[in-house]
Amino acid sequence: AQTVTQSQPEMSVQEAETVTLSCTYDTSESDYYLFWYKQPPSRQMILVIRQEAYKQQNATENRFSVNFQKAAKSFSLKISDSQLGDAAMYFCAYRGPGGGADGLTFGKGTHLIIQP
Amino acid sequence: GAGVSQSPRYKVAKRGQDVALRCDPISGHVSLFWYQQALGQGPEFLTYFQNEAQLDKSGLPSDRFFAERPEGSVSTLKIQRTQQEDSAVYLCASSLGALAGATGELFFGEGSRLTVL
Repeated sequence: AQTVTQSQPEMSVQEAETVTLSCTYDTSESDYYLFWYKQPPSRQMILVIRQEAYKQQNATENRFSVNFQKAAKSFSLKISDSQLGDAAMYFCAYRGPGGGADGLTFGKGTHLIIQP
Repeated sequence: GAGVSQSPRYKVAKRGQDVALRCDPISGHVSLFWYQQALGQGPEFLTYFQNEAQLDKSGLPSDRFFAERPEGSVSTLKIQRTQQEDSAVYLCASSLGALAGATGELFFGEGSRLTVL
């Protein structure tokens, strides 16, 4: 079974600085998807960034970028120029190659605090 | 609809009561998932529908949990004889595709918070 591990229960960063959230996963598949979701207090999961395992290039979305190390099964999220609105729970998630038949496997989350 | 809609947002039940939670996915989305999120934890998979077919219910914690999607759109998660350990947020998510080749992205609702007293 796939597992996703987030080893940082909580992280704190000063506004405008950079923070990196770590994630490791375990799978026997060679093709899969990885995601970072943000969950604010409203509870709705919002997709931050997605990475397809067959792509060597790291995904980037504005201030958000990932460091995808396939051999090490590591998928960290870097948030640059942190803003107060970035404060939330962040979940790393894995989805297998089966498309719809494979739901997401989530880590336990990292609570990100932004200090003004 | 524009997004995944769930109701009720909050439900308080006395132990032993039955509850029903509704999910209205994005129109046209084939795949629908239910997740259970305990306080301070990540969501955990409960069940998956492809259209009206329930293809995977391996995550349902007991036979008190039942889900249906009779017309391939709206889904209902029913919990019978609720217990305190059922207290959690229940998240619904939908996805456009059904098979490999889909983008892989799931769209989530805001969840239903169930508190069992």
